[in-house]
Amino acid sequence: HVQLHVSGPGLVKPSETLSLTCTVSGDSGSTYYWSWIRQPPGQGPEWIGYIYYSGSVTYNPSLKSRVTISVDTPKKQFSLKLSSVTAADTAMYYCARASGGATTGYCDDWGQGTLVTVSS
Amino acid sequence: SYVLTQPPSVSVAPGKTAIITCAGDNIGSYSVHWYQQRPGQAPVLVVYYDNERPPGTPDRFSGSTSGDTATLIIGRVEAGDEADYYCQAWHDGVVFGGGTKLTVL
Repeated sequence: HVQLHVSGPGLVKPSETLSLTCTVSGDSGSTYYWSWIRQPPGQGPEWIGYIYYSGSVTYNPSLKSRVTISVDTPKKQFSLKLSSVTAADTAMYYCARASGGATTGYCDDWGQGTLVTVSS
Repeated sequence: SYVLTQPPSVSVAPGKTAIITCAGDNIGSYSVHWYQQRPGQAPVLVVYYDNERPPGTPDRFSGSTSGDTATLIIGRVEAGDEADYYCQAWHDGVVFGGGTKLTVL
């Protein structure tokens, strides 16, 4: 298992860029996909995207034009940037470790999540 | 886009069996995973690859997939099983179901 900790601002203004960082403690081996998932209040989770240790990324097609996920392997961190945010982007944002492959994987460890509110 | 449909709620008496379904086009051809989420907490994986249990998941939890339906079965339900449950599969990205609230009567 790993521990994942999300950090970043809890309040972002409309049209600005949301930026979050996830710090990994424990097994951060090269066979995992490091994921971002969000969950609007009262709704189910929505996958944002993931990054492989090599830097290869896959994004949710519905968010692809606004999302950038990057990794800093020496620091054991990966990051999320979501541009041009609106109130619809208000959600709990989780980082997670995905195992089991690029198209068959599952999230077996999750961070505690951070609530990001988009408001002026 | 690919949609996974779950019933909004399922109610079951303690000691009985809860069945939670997840419907998707030809979902039986995909790997399906299930998560439990208690209020105020992050989701927790309870079943992966249709019917595998991660360490810590009681053997009361099992899963199956066939055709257009995946199913999570919770036997001998306990009060502590009350939570939201989400199915997940891959189709042009990770897709989650809308969730089912399990109420233990």
